Amino acid sequence: NAGVTQTPKFQVLKTGQSMTLQCAQDMNHEYMSWYRQDPGMGLRLIHYSVGAGITDQGEVPNGYNVSRSTTEDFPLRLLSAAPSQTSVYFCASSYFSGDEQYFGPGTRLTVT
Amino acid sequence: GNSVTQMEGPVTLSEEAFLTINCTYTATGYPSLFWYVQYPGEGLQLLLKATKADDKGSNKGFEATYRKETTSFHLEKGSVQVSDSAVYFCALSVFREGGSEKLVFGKGTKLTVNP
Repeated sequence: NAGVTQTPKFQVLKTGQSMTLQCAQDMNHEYMSWYRQDPGMGLRLIHYSVGAGITDQGEVPNGYNVSRSTTEDFPLRLLSAAPSQTSVYFCASSYFSGDEQYFGPGTRLTVT
Repeated sequence: GNSVTQMEGPVTLSEEAFLTINCTYTATGYPSLFWYVQYPGEGLQLLLKATKADDKGSNKGFEATYRKETTSFHLEKGSVQVSDSAVYFCALSVFREGGSEKLVFGKGTKLTVNP
């Protein structure tokens, strides 16, 4: 049981490049979410999904896209990277939205 | 709306000192309350939780009591260790008819314990 896995662990992008952060869970959780963590800002919700085929925006969705084609996977796409997207990104999952969330190890992204 | 306010820190203690990290909340309805811990370089993990008033959550020597009268869920530990150095997040979710709302996190409190 791997829990929540994220790849890559580190990534450096140039401004304007695009990339996909991968997230997968093997706990059959319906709810999955993406957060970014910045110093002094705590965790901010980017996008979330309550089940396969259903996604919605969190508090900071601009510049990011998501899709949920399977229960297991919830990739986060950066369409055109900007320095303001330099952050640590965490994926999390739970049985439902208000339940205990299980977090992945994070992806540290730097945009130059 | 629902919100969590926790002391911002950083908090620096010596080993074996007593720890309190304050957390207060505002919620419509009946929240469940959580403390998460983030060790350096890792994701968050649940430390403890309480789902109704007067419940006490406990784990790894940490405790927190759900106080509805003071809308608080303060985290305490009687004797901290160097290995407790981490960032601690208070969080809540509200259950209501039709489903629960998303977790709301505080901004986190960094704890450093010196030998």
